[in-house]
Amino acid sequence: GAGVSQSPRYKVAKRGQDVALRCDPISGHVSLFWYQQALGQGPEFLTYFQNEAQLDKSGLPSDRFFAERPEGSVSTLKIQRTQQEDSAVYLCASSRLESFTGELFFGEGSRLTVL
Amino acid sequence: DAKTTQPTSMDCAEGRAANLPCNHSTISGNEYVYWYRQIHSQGPQYIIHGLKNNETNEMASLIITEDRKSSTLILPHATLRDTAVYYCIVRGLQGAQKLVFGQGTRLTINP
Repeated sequence: GAGVSQSPRYKVAKRGQDVALRCDPISGHVSLFWYQQALGQGPEFLTYFQNEAQLDKSGLPSDRFFAERPEGSVSTLKIQRTQQEDSAVYLCASSRLESFTGELFFGEGSRLTVL
Repeated sequence: DAKTTQPTSMDCAEGRAANLPCNHSTISGNEYVYWYRQIHSQGPQYIIHGLKNNETNEMASLIITEDRKSSTLILPHATLRDTAVYYCIVRGLQGAQKLVFGQGTRLTINP
């Protein structure tokens, strides 16, 4: 489809493993956001890209979290040395820079479980 | 921090209008009121947004008070598929601005 695509949908990692989560935004969308959603909570902002530039990474919880978008399209969120508190759904969203609604389009998320 | 306050949960009978309130007393002049909803196991979905006038689309209506300190999202004829968490968010219009989610209102539509 033409929506935001995330993979994998589900990931189980052992504590200490590194994981990589992928986001394919809607074609032509300049803005890309990553959010973390713990069980029963609202999504929390992690980081924002405008094209390939990471303009805001204020929400990344630690230096174990790293995101990139090298060609201004696909983005990868990497978590190194995963810990149990990293267990959450990771949501990606994209949008046009200028639009009538300013709407963000979200993917279905990647659910990470750290054992 | 989220700039909005919403009830934690609400119930509504199927076929009736669901009215979801939101307080945003610190909203600034250039900020819009946005509503998103999140159905179980899905990403949030845009519903509607407004600045100061009431708005209506195919999904819902948004009523904003004259002082813009509160608003109400109205689902005119709720169905079981409207069961979701509804988030009220204040934000500028530009697509570069992040959404700051609160806890939202868990709306349950009962048959």
